[in-house]
Amino acid sequence: GNSVTQMEGPVTLSEEAFLTINCTYTATGYPSLFWYVQYPGEGLQLLLKATKADDKGSNKGFEATYRKETTSFHLEKGSVQVSDSAVYFCALSDNSWGKLQFGAGTQVVVTP
Amino acid sequence: EPEVTQTPSHQVTQMGQEVILRCVPISNHLYFYWYRQILGQKVEFLVSFYNNEISEKSEIFDDQFSVERPDGSNFTLKIRSTKLEDSAMYFCASSDPLLTEAFFGQGTRLTVV
Repeated sequence: GNSVTQMEGPVTLSEEAFLTINCTYTATGYPSLFWYVQYPGEGLQLLLKATKADDKGSNKGFEATYRKETTSFHLEKGSVQVSDSAVYFCALSDNSWGKLQFGAGTQVVVTP
Repeated sequence: EPEVTQTPSHQVTQMGQEVILRCVPISNHLYFYWYRQILGQKVEFLVSFYNNEISEKSEIFDDQFSVERPDGSNFTLKIRSTKLEDSAMYFCASSDPLLTEAFFGQGTRLTVV
């Protein structure tokens, strides 16, 4: 079956540091890939997405590229801020009903 | 900006009691979902709903669970006889007709005691 694996947290880093969160997936066919973010006390928000191989999703300084050859969708940001502290979820969707399958989530803590 | 609204934000119930979690999806959306997140674990799919019927459900969504769209506005999740292990954050989500993005509510934290 399908699965999403992402690096465990928490990831702690200083403001302006470079952030990478690894995400790999297993799926039949050609899923769409997503990163969702959950800020403290809030629901899940879509951060970015990519629907086909080699697509790059980007938003708020975050980027992720859909790599079919390595079945990966790693999230990156060049210079994080304290306000980026949150839990980040990698997810895939491979069916017509839009069902999402999530990774375990990675908590990111950015310190001043 | 349109949003998915869930009520209540926190519900405490006794084991064996029935609970109904409520959601108001975004008005022009056609696909509706429930997910849950047990504390410290991943977000898990429960059920999807389209055209007034369940389109897909997970193994978690057994006979004690049911969903309904009673009035064309609300979307509810009923748990008939709650167990301790049903304690979790329950998220409602909805998607537009083109399935471009799922919008999530802020969740209902269910605590079964």
